[in-house]
Amino acid sequence: EIVMTQSPATLSVSPGERATLSCRASQSVSSNLAWYQQKPGQAPRLLIYGASTRATGIPARFSGSGSGTEFTLTISSLQSEDFAVYYCQQYNNWPPTYTFGQGTKLEIK
Amino acid sequence: QVQLQESGPGLVKPSETLSLTCAVSGYSISSGYYWGWIRQPPGKGLEWIGSIYHSGSTYYNPSLKSRVTISVDTSKNQFSLKLSSVTAADTAVYYCARCLSQNTAMVPFDYWGQGTLVTVSS
Repeated sequence: EIVMTQSPATLSVSPGERATLSCRASQSVSSNLAWYQQKPGQAPRLLIYGASTRATGIPARFSGSGSGTEFTLTISSLQSEDFAVYYCQQYNNWPPTYTFGQGTKLEIK
Repeated sequence: QVQLQESGPGLVKPSETLSLTCAVSGYSISSGYYWGWIRQPPGKGLEWIGSIYHSGSTYYNPSLKSRVTISVDTSKNQFSLKLSSVTAADTAVYYCARCLSQNTAMVPFDYWGQGTLVTVSS
């Protein structure tokens, strides 16, 4: 099983500043990596797939990078609505065995 | 616009079988895509349970495989989850979702239901 590890567990950032979230895979997942945003009481929302492609309707301040085992989600200028929990997910295997990271909580500093 | 809606009992007794249905609107399941179930225990992270293709091919999380059955009913445009021998550890919000691309499961989930909380308790 591919284990996804996110860091930090909690990140405190001020509005308008940049946030950088990390995700590491226990083995290479190529670029088969997605990022989701989840707010309390809501379903996860797909932000990034293919490690760096923004999903439909996602603002340009969200960007993803990385390949292999190391990935980063960057939010360039935090807006109030961006404070949430972020999950990474790998989907590299066939047959599919998706695994998620444990999440990073992005909170207001 | 694709919409997914989970339904089923909110309370299940230990050792019994959890049964949920995901009704899909705005898209015909028989036309394609992989469809999945994901769960989230209260205050915890996301766990993929399994997925099904419109043709009926299924794929399960190895850690749950012995207890999970996912099926599709194209006539009702819905798919279902059964999880047997439940314990308190199966208490979670259960989400149904659709994969991003039509003909492959090697993509993430883009459309999600709102989720339904299932509590396992006597």
